[in-house]
Amino acid sequence: EAGVAQSPRYKIIEKRQSVAFWCNPISGHATLYWYQQILGQGPKLLIQFQNNGVVDDSQLPKDRFSAERLKGVDSTLKIQPAKLEDSAVYLCASSLASITSYEQYFGPGTRLTVT
Amino acid sequence: LAKTTQPISMDSYEGQEVNITCSHNNIATNDYITWYQQFPSQGPRFIIQGYKTKVTNEVASLFIPADRKSSTLSLPRVSLSDTAVYYCLVGDGTGRRALTFGSGTRLQVQP
Repeated sequence: EAGVAQSPRYKIIEKRQSVAFWCNPISGHATLYWYQQILGQGPKLLIQFQNNGVVDDSQLPKDRFSAERLKGVDSTLKIQPAKLEDSAVYLCASSLASITSYEQYFGPGTRLTVT
Repeated sequence: LAKTTQPISMDSYEGQEVNITCSHNNIATNDYITWYQQFPSQGPRFIIQGYKTKVTNEVASLFIPADRKSSTLSLPRVSLSDTAVYYCLVGDGTGRRALTFGSGTRLQVQP
């Protein structure tokens, strides 16, 4: 079974530039998450999708971050414009739509460096 | 969301059993307890999940006392490859809430 795919794996941009990350979840997983992980900290949820609808985006900085999930499968996360403090690893995860299981499958992440 | 508290770091030697305890005093009735493992440059990986008493799988055991205010992840006979960060999380059973990760416990296994 293929895992969660993310691209690119690494990205270096200058502040005020734009960047986009792509995620392809495990086939059949209705729920998709984007997390931000700053060095030395645990992952922080940015947004959660159920199929193509947003379930939770309370921690997404909406003035600069946006995300969409096309047709309930792939998802993109965009930052525009980027700030220095956006330097982090952006993790995508997916899971089955279960009310009793918290098993999420994470991708390898995209490491973003903003200079 | 229930907050969790766990040690920042732990050291062990190969072949030893490692127990990592997590405190979650404000756990709600419908909260499950979940543990994840994360290696450098990788995303977290699910280890085990439980609601009460004891859960065991091929990787670890999870012990949850009757009051559920804490839980202990037990790793039998650790090896160098178990060096990682371990996260304890609690979440409600609605399926709509994603996980809130703390800072985790950094386990260092030495030869």
